[in-house]
Amino acid sequence: QAVVTQEPSFSVSPGGTVTLTCGLSSASVSTSYYPSWYQQTPGQAPRTLIYTTTTRSSGVPDRFSGSILGDKAALTITGAQADDESDYYCVLYMGSGTWVFGGGTKLTVL
Amino acid sequence: EVQLVESGGGLVQPGGSLRLSCTASGFSFGTYSMNWVRQAPGMGLEWVSYISSSSRTIYYADSVKGRSTISRDNAKNSLHLQMNSLRAEDTAVYYCARTMVDYFYYMDVWGKGTTVTVSS
Repeated sequence: QAVVTQEPSFSVSPGGTVTLTCGLSSASVSTSYYPSWYQQTPGQAPRTLIYTTTTRSSGVPDRFSGSILGDKAALTITGAQADDESDYYCVLYMGSGTWVFGGGTKLTVL
Repeated sequence: EVQLVESGGGLVQPGGSLRLSCTASGFSFGTYSMNWVRQAPGMGLEWVSYISSSSRTIYYADSVKGRSTISRDNAKNSLHLQMNSLRAEDTAVYYCARTMVDYFYYMDVWGKGTTVTVSS
């Protein structure tokens, strides 16, 4: 089964920019995998941030953006704020009604 | 308001069974595909199972295949996950998620989850 890789942790200063990535063990990530991104704080349900690589979900601030960088999907936070401190998960659609989540990135804002 | 509310979680012994439910409101449930996603304590999210709007298409993760059955009742706006032969590694918070397909393929609305604990 495919393995989706994410950085286990990342740190960013308030106001700074950070890019989290989402790779695939056996191939390059492309738009064909419909990468999406989710934010989760402890004890809460996931919140949808980005879908189909670049589209922000309703109500998501424009400091969050999605892209393909090289062979990975990427989530960039520009002007990080304290309440962006969360776990971030990418998920790739593998076709035939199946998805694979990455292991998540714990983002610290300090 | 678009809402998903899970129920049915609890403490069950290894080898036991549990039926999870997800009740939808605020949208036309019967026109959307749905997923179950789980999260073990301290771990990441794991896709579990998918069902299309008509129930015609169903898929399972290898970790639950053969032990779980996803179903839905569009007349009652409800989604279910029947879990049998439960193992300690099935211990997790189980989320239902409305799922966009056909050009999108993502989960746009999530419930708050229901907790399943498998322990003797």
